[in-house]
Amino acid sequence: ETGVTQTPRHLVMGMTNKKSLKCEQHLGHNAMYWYKQSAKKPLELMFVYNFKEQTENNSVPSRFSPECPNSSHLFLHLHTLQPEDSALYLCASSPTLGENTIYFGEGSWLTVV
Amino acid sequence: GQNIDQPTEMTATEGAIVQINCTYQTSGFNGLFWYQQHAGEAPTFLSYNVLDGLEEKGRFSSFLSRSKGYSYLLLKELQMKDSASYLCAVRDLKGGYNKLIFGAGTRLAVHP
Repeated sequence: ETGVTQTPRHLVMGMTNKKSLKCEQHLGHNAMYWYKQSAKKPLELMFVYNFKEQTENNSVPSRFSPECPNSSHLFLHLHTLQPEDSALYLCASSPTLGENTIYFGEGSWLTVV
Repeated sequence: GQNIDQPTEMTATEGAIVQINCTYQTSGFNGLFWYQQHAGEAPTFLSYNVLDGLEEKGRFSSFLSRSKGYSYLLLKELQMKDSASYLCAVRDLKGGYNKLIFGAGTRLAVHP
């Protein structure tokens, strides 16, 4: 238990579906992140939020839409995805932006069919 | 640009010692991390180096040479539960704040 909870853990969606991934952290952190982890590839940073304001969008396609209503919650809205978007999506948080240690959630396994 | 290299896979025997190497190239180096990730689980923090030298923490040690852009993670007295992926990550100061840049990970298999 890392203090960062992600739901759902597994999601299968069609290319025309709309779904959302949810992340909640119980650590009192102010920075939250979305990472994508594909097989045999490095973790890719997607989005960064600091005090619920987006500070980075790492050239992510618009079919991924993040939302951060407060410092404890982070969503990733998914729409019109492609099969190559199938991956493990990891949420993480840290006390402040760029803090030494970031804490990861268990991840959401996404399969696009 | 940024580049982090580590071997894709390694195997070792229970009770042995294994060293996982990581080389990096970044413009704003500000520390190096090692994370452990078991299959289907979250990456968990193992170690952090910002100065040259060896940091020891129980069975795990991490070494850093900033001049060589090189680090290694040393695992002693290997146990079966050490079978996991080990991620090298460099903290890069860019755009006014630190970002964590990850390598692809080294998958370690420990055999009896």
